[in-house]
Amino acid sequence: DTEVTQTPKHLVMGMTNKKSLKCEQHMGHRAMYWYKQKAKKPPELMFVYSYEKLSINESVPSRFSPECPNSSLLNLHLHALQPEDSALYLCASSQDGQFQETQYFGPGTRLLVL
Amino acid sequence: AQKVTQAQTEISVVEKEDVTLDCVYETRDTTYYLFWYKQPPSGELVFLIRRNSFDEQNEISGRYSWNFQKSTSSFNFTITASQVVDSAVYFCALSEAYGGSQGNLIFGKGTKLSVKP
Repeated sequence: DTEVTQTPKHLVMGMTNKKSLKCEQHMGHRAMYWYKQKAKKPPELMFVYSYEKLSINESVPSRFSPECPNSSLLNLHLHALQPEDSALYLCASSQDGQFQETQYFGPGTRLLVL
Repeated sequence: AQKVTQAQTEISVVEKEDVTLDCVYETRDTTYYLFWYKQPPSGELVFLIRRNSFDEQNEISGRYSWNFQKSTSSFNFTITASQVVDSAVYFCALSEAYGGSQGNLIFGKGTKLSVKP
């Protein structure tokens, strides 16, 4: 059973709003990930945090701002989003962020930008 | 070039049928890992299996089995006696030791499996 939780489950926001997505894991993992998944597509990696430091930013627009307050929490701050940013946002965690590790995913936040 | 190919976009079977989901991968690394994830309509990606490149032993877990063949760069997934609850999108993914960036899972496009009663 997954121990990665995400809130909210659903979010509707206007293009001028500021909102945040939250992710928490209770597995003692030191790496956390944000993925974006459009309908009928595979997940796309956005950011990786390892030991609370941003280690990968896959050329994500600045209107997405990640934050890792501690090793079990991961936030994604959203500002001035576009309708094309509507997607399922998935959080994942793994032991240390190494290639051989299994990533465990949360249930996702379905975001709709109007 | 696509590194993970799931050629079957959608598969529809009737309950109790066996079904195999194909996955072909491409890598120059000798050290890599392969994964299968299940994504039901709720959205969560559920981890099913991880296999490293040095372990070609097939694996069985209940009604699920996996056939890893390095000679054909394939890691196929079979569900025996399918059930309606198996309906989901299944993703095959690759993680490379040197060819990829840290934590970068390379996903196939997924296969949508529909199991009808």
